[in-house]
Amino acid sequence: KQEVTQIPAALSVPEGENLVLNCSFTDSAIYNLQWFRQDPGKGLTSLLLIQSSQREQTSGRLNASLDKSSGRSTLYIAASQPGDSATYLCAVCGGDSSYKLIFGSGTRLLVRP
Amino acid sequence: GAVVSQHPSWVICKSGTSVKIECRSLDFQATTMFWYRQFPKQSLMLMATSNEGSKATYEQGVEKDKFLINHASLTLSTLTVTSAHPEDSSFYICSAVQDLNEKLFFGSGTQLSVL
Repeated sequence: KQEVTQIPAALSVPEGENLVLNCSFTDSAIYNLQWFRQDPGKGLTSLLLIQSSQREQTSGRLNASLDKSSGRSTLYIAASQPGDSATYLCAVCGGDSSYKLIFGSGTRLLVRP
Repeated sequence: GAVVSQHPSWVICKSGTSVKIECRSLDFQATTMFWYRQFPKQSLMLMATSNEGSKATYEQGVEKDKFLINHASLTLSTLTVTSAHPEDSSFYICSAVQDLNEKLFFGSGTQLSVL
């Protein structure tokens, strides 16, 4: 059974700092991995999607890496801003292509002005 | 990017009533839609997968008679919480995908509070 773990559960940093969020998964047979952002009481915004054959994806100040063999992904946020404050979720899609996403419990990020 | 509209965003109802939540893909045809629920400070849990024109596939532990899902068209899926009770209070989110090689797009969620 696939399990997704995110560390840390919460993170508070001063504005401008670079930071890394970690995601690990137990079954390396994945179709893809996605990072999402969730603002309080709201839905999800897809940030980055990495296919199983890819090593990383970049979008603006965000960079996500994937090491499938070790079951790890990281989300790197450069020059953090208060507007980045949110919960960040990673989710893996199983290798059976049913497109079921298994979510981690998230990292709550607070960027202090 | 693609837009998924979810309505209503907030529902307060009495115990025993039924609540319908709609999920629409506005600018693409969603072959598959997913329904999730999220309890406070917890992650999203997949409830069911629905494909247009066929019965939904429910995850283990999710009562299909309690949570009725209808995917009547390529742009609309509905989740009906029948005879809602306080323990059904939760945040419900839908997502839709056109092609399994693409990103999922999520609705804005529905906060259900059952009194």
